[in-house]
Formats: sequence, structure tokens, C-alpha cells
Amino acid sequence: GQNIDQPTEMTATEGAIVQINCTYQTSGFNGLFWYQQHAGEAPTFLSYNVLDGLEEKGRFSSFLSRSKGYSYLLLKELQMKDSASYLCAPGGSQGNLIFGKGTKLSVKP
Amino acid sequence: NAGVTQTPKFRILKIGQSMTLQCTQDMNHNYMYWYRQDPGMGLKLIYYSVGAGITDKGEVPNGYNVSRSTTEDFPLRLELAAPSQTSVYFCASSDFEAFFGQGTRLTVV
Repeated sequence: GQNIDQPTEMTATEGAIVQINCTYQTSGFNGLFWYQQHAGEAPTFLSYNVLDGLEEKGRFSSFLSRSKGYSYLLLKELQMKDSASYLCAPGGSQGNLIFGKGTKLSVKP
Repeated sequence: NAGVTQTPKFRILKIGQSMTLQCTQDMNHNYMYWYRQDPGMGLKLIYYSVGAGITDKGEVPNGYNVSRSTTEDFPLRLELAAPSQTSVYFCASSDFEAFFGQGTRLTVV
């Protein structure tokens, strides 16, 4: 089975940096995905890590440590439009894609 | 380029009725998924498919059935609808990152 843990909610200030952590235990591992979901909308892909280390994509970066079962999403220069839920999803080796409960981020002026 | 198309967008069912949620993708993806998302909660995997003719149970399959006769289509069948099945249902497809449909908001009364 899979066990995925993320903080339920976070609050940050516009222009700041925020780090959203995710720990996971999976029976098989095929990379880790991060998705963004605005309220009332479908999730959209943000990043993917399959090897240990940091992947940077503009204001968003994602880090993975496979040995520790740990990932984080780093959001820099926060904007109001970044207020959303951020979903961590370790891909299973059988092709299943299980999501964590998500972290609801509120960005304040 | 339509991506992932779900129909209907909204539906109200009476207890005990049945219905099929339709999902079609035009990206020739092998993997397809059905999720449900209850208010304020994360995505729960109902069923998934790694290719035509192959389906497997996810985290919460009870009360649902699926089929995958073609690469494009992955319908979800609800038999004997119950109030506990009131939720937003998302279909997704992937060969790497998952693309989601816009969701079906289902209410069972």
C-alpha cells in the first residue's frame, strides 16, 4: 500500500518563499509528481522527480530523496494566484497514481 | 486538441439509480484513471487502466465498475447509487504527466 503525508494548510505572504513537504511510503516507486489544483478546477501538472536532487522550473522547484521517502515543493516570489492546493503523488510501479490529501496554500497580501 | 473529455458535467441521481460517467481522451495515452474528490479532501483513486483490455482496482473501488475496450474510452459505471457517492469525479490520462478532465459533479439524493 501507500502512505502519503503532507501538511493540511499553510499560509504565506506575497513575495515570500514557501516549502511544502511530502513524505511517502510506497510498495513500488516510479517517480514523484506535484500537481496544483485551484478551487473548483481540475489538477494540473507542476513537476516530476525520478532521481534524487532538485529540479528547477521558473519560480517552482521540487526536491526528492528516495532513500528518505521525502520530497518538497519550493515556491518562490509568491503571487496571489499561487493560492491553491498542492498535491504530492508518488507514482506506483504498477501504473497506479495515488495522491496525498493535498496542502492548501493561502497567499496573503 | 480536446485532451480529456468528461460527460456529463453535472448530474443529480436518486438513491438506487445507476449511471455511466463517460471519459474520452484523444492523446493516445495508455494509462487512464478515475478519481473521486470529496469537498475539502484529496483525490481518491477508484480504478485505473494501463492499456486497452486491462483494468485494476484503486483505493476505493466498491460500488463502481469500469471497462476499457478502446485506448480512447474509459467509462465509469455506478450501480445502485448511494448518498456516499456524492462527489466530484475526475478522469485522467497519462503516458507521463497526467491530464485531467474538467470533472463531473454528482449528487445522490
